[in-house]
Amino acid sequence: QQPVQSPQAVILREGEDAVINCSSSKALYSVHWYRQKHGEAPVFLMILLKGGEQKGHDKISASFNEKKQQSSLYLTASQLSYSGTYFCGTATEGSGNTGKLIFGQGTTLQVKP
Amino acid sequence: KAGVTQTPRYLIKTRGQQVTLSCSPISGHRSVSWYQQTPGQGLQFLFEYFSETQRNKGNFPGRFSGRQFSNSRSEMNVSTLELGDSALYLCASSGGQGFTGELFFGEGSRLTVL
Repeated sequence: QQPVQSPQAVILREGEDAVINCSSSKALYSVHWYRQKHGEAPVFLMILLKGGEQKGHDKISASFNEKKQQSSLYLTASQLSYSGTYFCGTATEGSGNTGKLIFGQGTTLQVKP
Repeated sequence: KAGVTQTPRYLIKTRGQQVTLSCSPISGHRSVSWYQQTPGQGLQFLFEYFSETQRNKGNFPGRFSGRQFSNSRSEMNVSTLELGDSALYLCASSGGQGFTGELFFGEGSRLTVL
């Protein structure tokens, strides 16, 4: 079953923060986050593994709550380049470390000047 | 290092025809996964090939098939095309040295079925 992302869309001003959530009804092995700009391929942001710690680089970080099977992506001090559609992709124990991900429906983020 | 290459980038077919899409993964990557992307259904997993064997399969009808060659290049085939097959087909490679779980996506093949 597809994970549920919220919100579906968000509009920010440069410098504002945003949180995107991803919730699964299945027990997860890992959660992946990707960003896709219009007309381009999805680009990997980060992966969170079961039992792992919160990850982040620059002003984008993420967490994974194993008890709730939920992950959140945090974007702080947003920049124009953050605009795009964000997807969470989930892997269960059986498909961990493979190319099979079940993606959420995506969250469209627009950052305005 | 060259990225993932998909060909053709755009194609138009009519209902009932078949189509073959090609994907060349990043050198050293042994896994190729295929995804279908549509506005309504989002990104949906089709199948994954690893070392010429299908390792995972999604919930698509048998009209969708794939294969992988010894050089890791992969093809997917859709037979008896339907209007609903119009989509962006993305392939992703992974599994190189120091595999971190990251999938590297190609820019996709955009299929239009008339």
